[in-house]
Amino acid sequence: EDQVTQSPEALRLQEGESSSLNCSYTVSGLRGLFWYRQDPGKGPEFLFTLYSAGEEKEKERLKATLTKKESFLHITAPKPEDSATYLCAVRGSGGSNYKLTFGKGTLLTVNP
Amino acid sequence: NAGVMQNPRHLVRRRGQEARLRCSPMKGHSHVYWYRQLPEEGLKFMVYLQKENIIDESGMPKERFSAEFPKEGPSILRIQQVVRGDSAAYFCASSPPTTGELFFGEGSRLTVL
Repeated sequence: EDQVTQSPEALRLQEGESSSLNCSYTVSGLRGLFWYRQDPGKGPEFLFTLYSAGEEKEKERLKATLTKKESFLHITAPKPEDSATYLCAVRGSGGSNYKLTFGKGTLLTVNP
Repeated sequence: NAGVMQNPRHLVRRRGQEARLRCSPMKGHSHVYWYRQLPEEGLKFMVYLQKENIIDESGMPKERFSAEFPKEGPSILRIQQVVRGDSAAYFCASSPPTTGELFFGEGSRLTVL
C-alpha cells in the first residue's frame, strides 16, 4: 500500500525566511509525485508533478525536487500570501495505478 | 475554461436523511474521483469513475454510499441514512485520460446534525 508522510505538520516563517517542506513516500513503482496547495475552505490547487529522481520544477517562489525516497518543496523568500496547507501525493504502479494517495499536509504560516 | 464544479458547497442534514453531492468535471475530462477530507486528516480516496462505469470503489464504505457518473449529467455521490460521522468535506476531482494530474473542485461540506 502506498504511503506518504509529510513533515513538519506545521511551519511558521517570517516573511523572507526561506525553508523546505518534506514529503517521504513508499510506493510500488512511482508513476508521479504531486504537490498541491490548499487554502482554508477551498479545494486543492495543483502545483507540480515530478516523475523521476533528480527532477526539479519551479514556480515563482516554489521549487520541488525529487529523490527515490522523498520530495522537498523549497520556498524561497516567502510572502504572507504563500500561507496555506501544502499537500503531497503519489501515484504508484500497483493495483490501483490511477488514484493519488495523499499525506496529511504541512500547514505553512508566513508572518509579515 | 471552467474548472470542476461541485454543488452544493454546503449541505446540512439530520441523521437518517439522504445527502446528494454533484460534480461536473472540467471540459474534456472523462475521469472523476471522489475524496473525503476529515479535520486533521488527509484526503482519502473513495471512488473512481468513468462515464457509466465505476472503475474502483475500494475506498467507499460498503453500506449507505454509492456513486454514479451517467452518460449525461454530473457525477453524483449519494449518502443514505447519514450519521454524524459522515460530516466531512467531500471533494471531486477530474482528469483527462492522458495526463496524471487531478484537478479538484471547491468541495461540498456536509454537516450532519
